[in-house]
Amino acid sequence: GESVGLHLPTLSVQEGDNSIINCAYSNSASDYFIWYKQESGKGPQFIIDIRSNMDKRQGQRVTVLLNKTVKHLSLQIAATQPGDSAVYFCAESHGGSEKLVFGKGTKLTVNP
Amino acid sequence: NAGVTQTPKFRVLKTGQSMTLLCAQDMNHEYMYWYRQDPGMGLRLIHYSVGEGTTAKGEVPDGYNVSRLKKQNFLLGLESAAPSQTSVYFCASSLLTGSRTPQHFGDGTRLSIL
Repeated sequence: GESVGLHLPTLSVQEGDNSIINCAYSNSASDYFIWYKQESGKGPQFIIDIRSNMDKRQGQRVTVLLNKTVKHLSLQIAATQPGDSAVYFCAESHGGSEKLVFGKGTKLTVNP
Repeated sequence: NAGVTQTPKFRVLKTGQSMTLLCAQDMNHEYMYWYRQDPGMGLRLIHYSVGEGTTAKGEVPDGYNVSRLKKQNFLLGLESAAPSQTSVYFCASSLLTGSRTPQHFGDGTRLSIL
């Protein structure tokens, strides 16, 4: 069945370093992937998405990489800032489904 | 442009009481969703709607009912609250199906059932 998970539940980085958050998925039919950021007491906030016809997509300070061969997704945050401290979720879906499947999240802590 | 607004933000209920959570979106989105978020469980889909007047069951629908009488509103009802329904509830909306466009979330309703 579908499952979306994360390799590490927590990640601690120094301010200014680059962060990499990983996500694995098991459904080979998955073709749409999203990263969300959730700050304490807030709802998930959309960061970036990518479709399976791409292997890389860049936003402002963020890059998502998709490796369909090994069913792996990563979120790279450049020059991590204290405001980036949050829980990050990946989610996936596939054509014909009206729903997203969410991973359990990775907590990113940025140390000054 | 408020996006997705959830009311109330906090609520404490006694077992057996009923209540309705309201979600409103001003983005003219077709799809709306209700999730619950529990520690260590991630986001789980309760019910969703693909348009005004439609509803469908998600992963954990038991104990909940929903209605989508207007396109901009999606209501989640608990007819007889149970302690197992203590959770944070999030509403989301998307322009098109969640498999093609991102879902946008409200800031949640924190519900405690005593």
